[in-house]
Amino acid sequence: EAGVAQSPRYKIIEKRQSVAFWCNPISGHATLYWYQQILGQGPKLLIQFQNNGVVDDSQLPKDRFSAERLKGVDSTLKIQPAKLEDSAVYLCASSLETNTEAFFGQGTRLTVV
Amino acid sequence: GDSVTQMEGPVTLSEEAFLTINCTYTATGYPSLFWYVQYPGEGLQLLLKATKADDKGSNKGFEATYRKETTSFHLEKGSVQVSDSAVYFCALHSGYSTLTFGKGTMLLVSP
Repeated sequence: EAGVAQSPRYKIIEKRQSVAFWCNPISGHATLYWYQQILGQGPKLLIQFQNNGVVDDSQLPKDRFSAERLKGVDSTLKIQPAKLEDSAVYLCASSLETNTEAFFGQGTRLTVV
Repeated sequence: GDSVTQMEGPVTLSEEAFLTINCTYTATGYPSLFWYVQYPGEGLQLLLKATKADDKGSNKGFEATYRKETTSFHLEKGSVQVSDSAVYFCALHSGYSTLTFGKGTMLLVSP
């Protein structure tokens, strides 16, 4: 079974630029999560989708971050404009349903300079 | 709100030593508890879980027991290997909330 796929693996951008990350969840998984993992900290939930609807985006900085999950499958997370403090690993995860085990992708390491 | 507290690392051990990584939590209701592992350059992988009090989760020689009375879920392994070097995250999931993670504990095992 293919796992959660994310791209790119690494990205370096200058502050105030924009960036987008892509996630392809495990086939058939209704729930998709984006987490931000800052160095030395545990992952923090940014947004959770159930199919193509948003379940929780309470910790998403909506002035600069946006995410969508068209057709309830793939998802993109965008940052515009980026700040230095956005440097982190962005993890995508998926699960069959909300309360079932979450499977994580390898993450995208973003460096903002 | 829900929270997870883990012992700070790094934890440095010699091969075949006994491992304990402490984890305590606060949560409303009756959470499920998890340990995730993150090997260098890889994503998070579920290591083990326990869904109710007194349950013991185990996998790959690791185990942890859900202790409701002490709100703890300490990770243990009797004999660590170099290949166990990784970052370990304790996490909980209560009701319909998503996973809440601790800050992670780095384990370094030397030959």
